[in-house]
Amino acid sequence: DIQMTQSPSPLFASVGDRVTITCRASQTIGTYLNWYQQKPGKAPNLLIYASSSSHSGVPSRFSGSGSGTDFTLTISSLQPEDFATYYCQQGFNTPLTFGGGTKVEIK
Amino acid sequence: EVHLVESGGGLVQPGGSLRLSCAASGFTFSSYWMDWVRQAPGKGLVWVSRINTAGSSTYYADSVKGRFTISRDNAKNTLYLQMNSLRAEDTAVYYCAKEGAHWNEIDYWGQGALVTVSS
Repeated sequence: DIQMTQSPSPLFASVGDRVTITCRASQTIGTYLNWYQQKPGKAPNLLIYASSSSHSGVPSRFSGSGSGTDFTLTISSLQPEDFATYYCQQGFNTPLTFGGGTKVEIK
Repeated sequence: EVHLVESGGGLVQPGGSLRLSCAASGFTFSSYWMDWVRQAPGKGLVWVSRINTAGSSTYYADSVKGRFTISRDNAKNTLYLQMNSLRAEDTAVYYCAKEGAHWNEIDYWGQGALVTVSS
């Protein structure tokens, strides 16, 4: 199985900050990397698929990059509604696997 | 608009069984792979199972293999998860999930169904 490792967790930031979350795969996965946002008590929402493509309706401040084993999710200017937990997920093969999550908290 | 609505969750004793259902609408259900993903209280997301469009190929996490069965009824636009021999560690919110077209991303999620395994 492919292991997904996220860092940091937690991440403390302020409104307006530029935030970067890192995800590393235990083997190369091309660009089969997806990012999700989850708020307490709610289902996750897809933000980014195929490493850098934005899902419909996702604000432009969210962007993704990377290929192979190293990936990043960037929030260009953190907004109050962005305080949440973020997960990466590899879609290269089955079993689909998720990172452990990065909780973005108020500094 | 895509809607996924789970039902069938609840409290069950260890060793018991439960069947989750997921009613899908707002898209051509028979054209997409579907998944179940679970989340134990206070923990992260864990993939459980997936099924292809026709229902002819199924895949499972090692932790549920031999105990859980995923299936679908394309005529009824419904996804199922039959859970047998339930254990305390199966306690979680179970999400029904629709896959996207090409990258095995999950582009839509249900609201989740809570399954509690306890005596």
